[in-house]
Amino acid sequence: DAGVIQSPRHEVTEMGQEVTLRCKPISGHDYLFWYRQTMMRGLELLIYFNNNVPIDDSGMPEDRFSAKMPNASFSTLKIQPSEPRDSAVYFCASSLVYQPQHFGDGTRLSIL
Amino acid sequence: ELKVEQNPLFLSMQEGKNYTIYCNYSTTSDRLYWYRQDPGKSLESLFVLLSNGAVKQEGRLMASLDTKARLSTLHITAAVHDLSATYFCAVDSPGGNEKLTFGTGTRLTIIP
Repeated sequence: DAGVIQSPRHEVTEMGQEVTLRCKPISGHDYLFWYRQTMMRGLELLIYFNNNVPIDDSGMPEDRFSAKMPNASFSTLKIQPSEPRDSAVYFCASSLVYQPQHFGDGTRLSIL
Repeated sequence: ELKVEQNPLFLSMQEGKNYTIYCNYSTTSDRLYWYRQDPGKSLESLFVLLSNGAVKQEGRLMASLDTKARLSTLHITAAVHDLSATYFCAVDSPGGNEKLTFGTGTRLTIIP
C-alpha cells in the first residue's frame, strides 16, 4: 500500500511568496493531520480533519495559514504571505479512528 | 492543557547496555503511542498502549503504561547501533478524540 504522500519534498522561497503544501492520505483513512516540526517548538499539530471536515484548527499559528481538504484523497496547507519564521518541516499524517497515525515524508520548507 | 514530558532529552549509551526513556503526561488519556524518527525522516509508529499495566515488546524495545502514575516507559535492552533515533511518546486528548500531543522527544545515540 502506498503511504501518505506529500509534495513537494523541499521548498525554498522568498519571504512574502505564497507556499502550498500538498498531501494525499492513505486510501480509506478518514482522519488527516497537519503538523509542523522545528527544533525550538518540537512537533506541533496545526489542524486536523475528519471526513474532510476541519475539526480542530487551534494550532494554526495565524491567519496567514489555511488548510483545505476538498475530497478524501487530497489536502493542502497554504501559507500566504510566507515569513522566515515559517521555515520548518511540515508533516501530513492520516489514520483510522483509534489507530496510529501514519506520517508522510514531510516537506522541508525554507523561507529566505 | 495536556502536557507531555519526556526525559532524558538526550541519551548517549554504549552498545550492549540497557536504558529506559520516561514519558509523563498531565491528564487522563485513553491511548499512548510511541514513535521513532530517524534523522531527516518521517515518524514511524512503534507501540500503542491502551490500558493500565499494558506492556508491548518488539525486539529490543519494550513499552509499558501506568495510567495511575500517568507514566509510560520505553526500555531498551542490549542496545545496538541501529536503534539510534529520536523517540517520541504521544498522548490523545481527554475525551478520546484523535488529537495527539507529542512529547519533546528523546534523541538516542548508541555508541559502538
